[in-house]
Amino acid sequence: QSALTQPASVSGSPGQSITISCTGTSSDVGGYNYVSWYQQHPGKAPKLMIYDVSNRPSGVSNRFSGSKSGNTASLTISGLQAEDEADYYCSSYTSSSTLEVFGTGTKVTVL
Amino acid sequence: QLQLQESGPGLVKASETLSLTCTVSGGSLSRSSYYWGWIRQPPGKGLEWIGSMYYSGSTYYNPSLKSRVTMSVDTSKNQFSLKLSFVTAADTAVYYCARLDYYYGSGSIWGQGTMVTVSS
Repeated sequence: QSALTQPASVSGSPGQSITISCTGTSSDVGGYNYVSWYQQHPGKAPKLMIYDVSNRPSGVSNRFSGSKSGNTASLTISGLQAEDEADYYCSSYTSSSTLEVFGTGTKVTVL
Repeated sequence: QLQLQESGPGLVKASETLSLTCTVSGGSLSRSSYYWGWIRQPPGKGLEWIGSMYYSGSTYYNPSLKSRVTMSVDTSKNQFSLKLSFVTAADTAVYYCARLDYYYGSGSIWGQGTMVTVSS
């Protein structure tokens, strides 16, 4: 099965908003409202930031928001901060073999 | 609060079988509607789903690994396991276990991960 497509890198200045896209198919992103987003700092385990397309776990800043349109999901980080510099991965339920499929990952740089 | 902890050898010889266990604490592995999975991340690379399973034994494997992967569950110990046979250097990675939730709307929970190196 193919990974979901994300841009390799996205950058922004402190205080700005950035959006990371995650494109799949009707068998995953487009077919189900089970898209998650993970933040990963170097050497650390991934941290759940968004689940079920737009829900934030307790303790996650409301600067992080998720949405979906068709086969593309998006993660928006508003009021960008230095601590947001990390790798971000989307994940979606899929009707194919593994139940879940990851995105290719996006490196966010705060300029 | 539910916690997951991976355990197993940190070093495995090439061509042998990698075996890892995930111990679930703070909740029951056999609670209905949750799925349990394994993920890995080679050094400097992205995340890859290895496979997922239900406590009853239904399994869902990544096609690229299917011929070498076996996942199983031991409800009496509240543990689930991963076996990956005929490993090569390409299987060197941090391995994570996770709980998946498609029913209760609580999001996934991951372990902290364990590094496994395949040596020649």
